[in-house]
Amino acid sequence: EAEVAQSPRYKITEKSQAVAFWCDPISGHATLYWYRQILGQGPELLVQFQDESVVDDSQLPKDRFSAERLKGVDSTLKIQPAELGDSAMYLCASRTDSSHSGANVLTFGAGSRLTVL
Amino acid sequence: GQNIDQPTEMTATEGAIVQINCTYQTSGFNGLFWYQQHAGEAPTFLSYNVLDGLEEKGRFSSFLSRSKGYSYLLLKELQMKDSASYLCAVRDGNYQLIWGAGTKLIIKP
Repeated sequence: EAEVAQSPRYKITEKSQAVAFWCDPISGHATLYWYRQILGQGPELLVQFQDESVVDDSQLPKDRFSAERLKGVDSTLKIQPAELGDSAMYLCASRTDSSHSGANVLTFGAGSRLTVL
Repeated sequence: GQNIDQPTEMTATEGAIVQINCTYQTSGFNGLFWYQQHAGEAPTFLSYNVLDGLEEKGRFSSFLSRSKGYSYLLLKELQMKDSASYLCAVRDGNYQLIWGAGTKLIIKP
């Protein structure tokens, strides 16, 4: 069964340090999302890509967060500098295309859990 | 603003039936999703409703009433492995997914 790959699974860092997360979506999935999920809350969209283009990054704290998907395949999310409030699960998800027909469900990766000390 | 409301936590007994409710207020509606999320793991897709009525899939069923802005997820013959959080998400008029905070379901023997 095809999966969304994410790494690292766990990351512990000190505040003010830089951290990066990587995501490889299911092959052929043009649409890729980065979400942040704080314990006990639902996922919060950070950025949406369609191929290599950013579709929505309105909720991305651009002073410290950046995301890229240079070749329209895998993607990297970076935080620099990390703050205590960034401690959360960072989830990557993908789906086949931007079509709005039917369910066109998201498939999530296992996530990267970040702890900032 | 847009919001989705679900109970924070529910407890049920193994073998029983439980209904998890979700009410929503969004700008437009293009479908409602239920996802299951075990602790420390990624959400996995359970069901999708876009028309009013009940969708049944094995032990799980999902109901939608668009006029009431209401959905529920019904879990039958509960098993211990059903202990998880259940997330309700609505695709709004701009085809953006709006997520609820999730309902933590605790199953007791």
